[in-house]
Amino acid sequence: EVQLLESGGGLVQPGGSLRLSCVVSGLTFSSHGMSWVRQAPGKGLEWVSVISGSDGNTYYADSVKGRFTISRDNSKNTLYLQMSSLRAEDTATYYCAKNFLGFGYYFDYWGQGTLVTVSP
Amino acid sequence: EIVLTQSPGTLSLSPGQRATLSCRASQSVSNYLAWYQQKPGQAPRLLIYDASNRATGIPARFSGSGSGTDFTLTIASLEPEDFAVYYCQQRSNWPRTFGQGTKVEIK
Repeated sequence: EVQLLESGGGLVQPGGSLRLSCVVSGLTFSSHGMSWVRQAPGKGLEWVSVISGSDGNTYYADSVKGRFTISRDNSKNTLYLQMSSLRAEDTATYYCAKNFLGFGYYFDYWGQGTLVTVSP
Repeated sequence: EIVLTQSPGTLSLSPGQRATLSCRASQSVSNYLAWYQQKPGQAPRLLIYDASNRATGIPARFSGSGSGTDFTLTIASLEPEDFAVYYCQQRSNWPRTFGQGTKVEIK
């Protein structure tokens, strides 16, 4: 059974930093691209970033480019999102999601999400 | 950035009725479009990919159609568990984008 488990969310002040983690089990982690997708409270879904399985290729949404960094440790089956210069508008539940069909194509397995709240 | 516009915002229907949801893209995405279902407090679930292919385990009452800029998700006969929010998503261009969602509620 494929499982994704996020952690690292919490309350952070504007301008602060936070690192999210997503531990993946039940599949060959290094064979799959992985993404982060976020959802502000009561709002829709926003794709944030993607990383390829093994060659480190990445893409970012313009809203987070230069502030967020996606990375992965295939030896630990873990995906990361380093978030810095956080703003109130970054407040959201952050989901990690396995890419389906190709690099950053679609998302077929999702974690349960971790809530990030940016507030004074 | 490709903007996906979903309509209607809310669809009020009864169990057993047919639901038709629309997603319109600001430019052609070929058939590179997916549909997701999200229930309160849960992560999204992939229903349809590449416009018309059902994902693994998705019941046959869900079907997708369209190409270019206009797409439709049809739920042939609503079951109680189908009342949820539905999102479309394109993979034609970076950044990947989602529609704003259509809520299917019980009438």
